[in-house]
Amino acid sequence: GQNIDQPTEMTATEGAIVQINCTYQTSGFNGLFWYQQHAGEAPTFLSYNVLDGLEEKGRFSSFLSRSKGYSYLLLKELQMKDSASYLCAVVYNFNKFYFGSGTKLNVKP
Amino acid sequence: SAVISQKPSRDICQRGTSLTIQCQVDSQVTMMFWYRQQPGQSLTLIATANQGSEATYESGFVIDKFPISRPNLTFSTLTVSNMSPEDSSIYLCSVEVGGQGRHEQYFGPGTRLTVT
Repeated sequence: GQNIDQPTEMTATEGAIVQINCTYQTSGFNGLFWYQQHAGEAPTFLSYNVLDGLEEKGRFSSFLSRSKGYSYLLLKELQMKDSASYLCAVVYNFNKFYFGSGTKLNVKP
Repeated sequence: SAVISQKPSRDICQRGTSLTIQCQVDSQVTMMFWYRQQPGQSLTLIATANQGSEATYESGFVIDKFPISRPNLTFSTLTVSNMSPEDSSIYLCSVEVGGQGRHEQYFGPGTRLTVT
């Protein structure tokens, strides 16, 4: 819902940097989340952005531009365990969460 | 954060029967959510459940098919009624925590439902 778009799948090499983009409809926007989901497991919270700019947390960073309806998740020093789906989720009107279709990241040795 | 448990973790059910999924949180939360995640797909919000009021359903989901209870601030149930194979999915509950405008949402481990 809410036109949340992410690439379906990406492949990167261990030790490299990868950027996963997310675009969304801006009307009613109240915040954006990134989640990591390994196959067969529940999503786990990675980051939250409500203001423009970059939020850094260890190897993961998340960026938000509210005017452009755009966010990205940056993963540095990729590890094999980072192979997972990454979900972009947007909260609208303070209590409606909508998820993008997810980006499946494959990390190769 | 919050620690969330769900029961059952998985079940195999026959067409036409109903299954009630329980969600328990280790702290009091105002807002709880129920999601469905079909194989290979992302999460779809079914409904929002606030304590003391009726659940709010998203487009495509109705109370007769997915009745929800929210008797207190730490517990909720979702019933999948009159099941068909199309209801085979993972059902997840989640809660919203954090104040001062932070709408962080945490998920339970999910209930994997297979309808035969």
